[in-house]
Order: sequence, then structure tokens, then C-alpha cells
Amino acid sequence: QQQVKQSPQSLIVQKGGISIINCAYENTAFDYFPWYQQFPGKGPALLIAIRPDVSEKKEGRFTISFNKSAKQFSLHIMDSQPGDSATYFCAASMIGGNQFYFGTGTSLTVIP
Amino acid sequence: DAGVIQSPRHEVTEMGQEVTLRCKPISGHNSLFWYRQTMMRGLELLIYFNNNVPIDDSGMPEDRFSAKMPNASFSTLKIQPSEPRDSAVYFCASRSRQSNQPQHFGDGTRLSIL
Repeated sequence: QQQVKQSPQSLIVQKGGISIINCAYENTAFDYFPWYQQFPGKGPALLIAIRPDVSEKKEGRFTISFNKSAKQFSLHIMDSQPGDSATYFCAASMIGGNQFYFGTGTSLTVIP
Repeated sequence: DAGVIQSPRHEVTEMGQEVTLRCKPISGHNSLFWYRQTMMRGLELLIYFNNNVPIDDSGMPEDRFSAKMPNASFSTLKIQPSEPRDSAVYFCASRSRQSNQPQHFGDGTRLSIL
């Protein structure tokens, strides 16, 4: 059973456009929601993370939007660049928990 | 600071052979995770340790898989005997036990079983 559902599976965006990746969860015990970025041949690396007490977190061109009532969160990449082409994973973990539940990943391609 | 270090980066071996993957977590982290990544199944948690003790090994696919963490700075994932369907990228990650801390991943071991 997939604890965190991620969409789309793949995404193609033009340079300068906005990339949006969505995730949804059911378990209200989740209280930490990180996004990871993975380049070919490398391990996933933390990109940005949010807790449910805020609705938005921005770091540079990357923004997480969080909707607690809908149990959804999304990653927005503004002014997408070819260097952003990678696989993105959302994840969630519980209060006091150690295990991370990962989404299935989104392969993003930014075309020049 | 050194990140999570995995070795080897690539392993090619024949079916039936024993395979040992190694991981050195970030110093001071006391949780360690082993994942397997494939195109078909994505990122799967195999097992994780807290303070060198295995907590949840429900993701270990078969008895052919075993993992140990003899001390805070070293862990191994062993497959014996290996099969072609074990071919995947295996990642190790570590994490501090403080609240809301991310997992930090190594660059993985790409395993090919012929």
C-alpha cells in the first residue's frame, strides 16, 4: 500500500516554465514532508522540506505548497532550467518516527 | 563533512555468488537505512537500524538477504546466493534521531547479477 501518492510520473517543461509535482497522503500522523532530487548515478538529495504548521515554504526557485485539510502537498519549480532535469521524490514521516515513506518519483525534463 | 559512503559503486557478478555491499553512515547519525531502487518498483525500504539494532526488516525480500550493523560507523547488506532479479541500485541512508531531520543518501551501489 502506497502511503504517499505522487503524480505525474513524468513531466516535460520548457525552459523558463513552471514545473509542478503533486503528492497526497492519508495518514494524519505525518508531520514532516521533504522533497528529494535525484540525478542519474547519484543518490537522492534533500531539496526542501516543510512541516504542516505552515502552508508554504520557498527556497530560491523551489516552493512547497501544503494543504493540510486536503492532505496534499506540491513542489513548484519556477523558471525551470535544463539543470533541473532530474527525478523528484516526495516523502513523509511521522511524529517521532524514523521511517520515510517515499512517493514513486517524477522524472522531470526541462527542454531548452 | 563526509556524506554517506557506499562501496563498491558498481558490482557485476554471476548468479549464485555472494554479494556484500558496504555503508559508512554520517558520523553522529544513529539511524541507518538500506533501500533498493528499480525502474519497476521505485525506491523500496529493505531494512533500517536505530543505534545499530535492526528495527524493521519487513522489506527484506527473501532469506537470501541479510544486513548487519556491527558498530555505529559500518553496515553491510549481503545477498547469498545472488539472482539476476536482484539487479538494482542499492542505497544506504543515515539520519539523526532529532525530530524532523532528513535522511542523507549515499550514491548507491549499482549491482548487476548475470
